[in-house]
Amino acid sequence: GAVVSQHPSRVICKSGTSVKIECRSLDFQATTMFWYRQFPKQSLMLMATSNEGSKATYEQGVEKDKFLINHASLTLSTLTVTSAHPEDSSFYICSAGQGSSYNEQFFGPGTRLTVL
Amino acid sequence: SQKIEQNSEALNIQEGKTATLTCNYTNYSPAYLQWYRQDPGRGPVFLLLIRENEKEKRKERLKVTFDTTLKQSLFHITASQPADSATYLCALDDYKLSFGAGTTVTVRA
Repeated sequence: GAVVSQHPSRVICKSGTSVKIECRSLDFQATTMFWYRQFPKQSLMLMATSNEGSKATYEQGVEKDKFLINHASLTLSTLTVTSAHPEDSSFYICSAGQGSSYNEQFFGPGTRLTVL
Repeated sequence: SQKIEQNSEALNIQEGKTATLTCNYTNYSPAYLQWYRQDPGRGPVFLLLIRENEKEKRKERLKVTFDTTLKQSLFHITASQPADSATYLCALDDYKLSFGAGTTVTVRA
């Protein structure tokens, strides 16, 4: 199956700093990538949908100026958490699909962000 | 409001038995329903997709049913093995994936 990677797998940062997370589709071109956040023992919550070459679509309640998403190519999307605070500590997971979500999505291994 | 409920947070079963997980939803009209497996600290892995006009889908030891009248999907793991121990997530697909909180299955040897 298709492989999606994320980097870094874990990151610890100080409050107020910005953190960039990369999501790459390794062996296929992903027209659409999705960013999710998961708190302990909770479900994955979709944060935003990004399409290559266009602005991301954010879900209600997600601050687009705080969570910057760039989908510069068909194999790379980045999520930047700006001015991170402890409440942003979470497990961030990306997924990639080929077309609409009405198909199998391939998930990355996730990035554990801890903000001190 | 929209809601996805998976029957229980945890399910403990003996090896060889069948695990049955439930996913109920309200105020959704999904065209598709998907099931994923998630291991601790890892991203979800796709298992099965079932369409609204399909009643049942099978893949090896896995079986999924989808009842749009009851607004429910059942997920069965037959002849369970300790390696099946994981959290299983259902996800509704009505233009985006919306996930349940998951059921953690532990299979005892």
